Amino acid sequence: AQSVTQLDSQVPVFEEAPVELRCNYSSSVSVYLFWYVQYPNQGLQLLLKYLSGSTLVKGINGFEAEFNKSQTSFHLRKPSVHISDTAEYFCAVSGPNQGGKLIFGQGTELSVKP
Amino acid sequence: GAVVSQHPSRVICKSGTSVKIECRSLDFQATTMFWYRQFPKQSLMLMATSNEGSKATYEQGVEKDKFLINHASLTLSTLTVTSAHPEDSSFYICSAEGGIAYEQYFGPGTRLTVT
Repeated sequence: AQSVTQLDSQVPVFEEAPVELRCNYSSSVSVYLFWYVQYPNQGLQLLLKYLSGSTLVKGINGFEAEFNKSQTSFHLRKPSVHISDTAEYFCAVSGPNQGGKLIFGQGTELSVKP
Repeated sequence: GAVVSQHPSRVICKSGTSVKIECRSLDFQATTMFWYRQFPKQSLMLMATSNEGSKATYEQGVEKDKFLINHASLTLSTLTVTSAHPEDSSFYICSAEGGIAYEQYFGPGTRLTVT
């Protein structure tokens, strides 16, 4: 079975500071990994995804993530955050033969303060 | 492109009544649609997967007779919460997959409140 753990439930950070949101996964098969962002009372928007190839994945809004197979991690990073990045961030895992199903982590609330 | 809409965005109903939520892919054909439930400050829990023209596949613990899912066309899936009770109050989110492999597009969600 696949599972995802987001190690931080809340991450407060000041504007223009760098941020890392941590995600670890567990899977006995090949994985596809995703980061989504959710603004209050809205659906989810895909930030980036890893299916194969380069382990460093660049996404929208200046975010990037690195797939680390040995550490079973897929941490999300941004070098300089904005107030508008304040939102809930979800890491998710899927894989081949999963029928497209996503297993979500518990979410990390990123709070950017001026 | 790749827009998914949900209707209604908010609904309040009395206990014992049924509520239908629509999920539409506006500019692409969705081969598969997913329905999730999200409690406040919590993650998304997959309820069921639906493919156009076939019966939905429900996750363990989800009552299929209570949460009726219909995927009548490649652009529309509906979730009907039958005989709703206060514990069914939640944020329901749908997503649609089509076109780009392993990429789901999410609707804006429907806030259901059962009084």
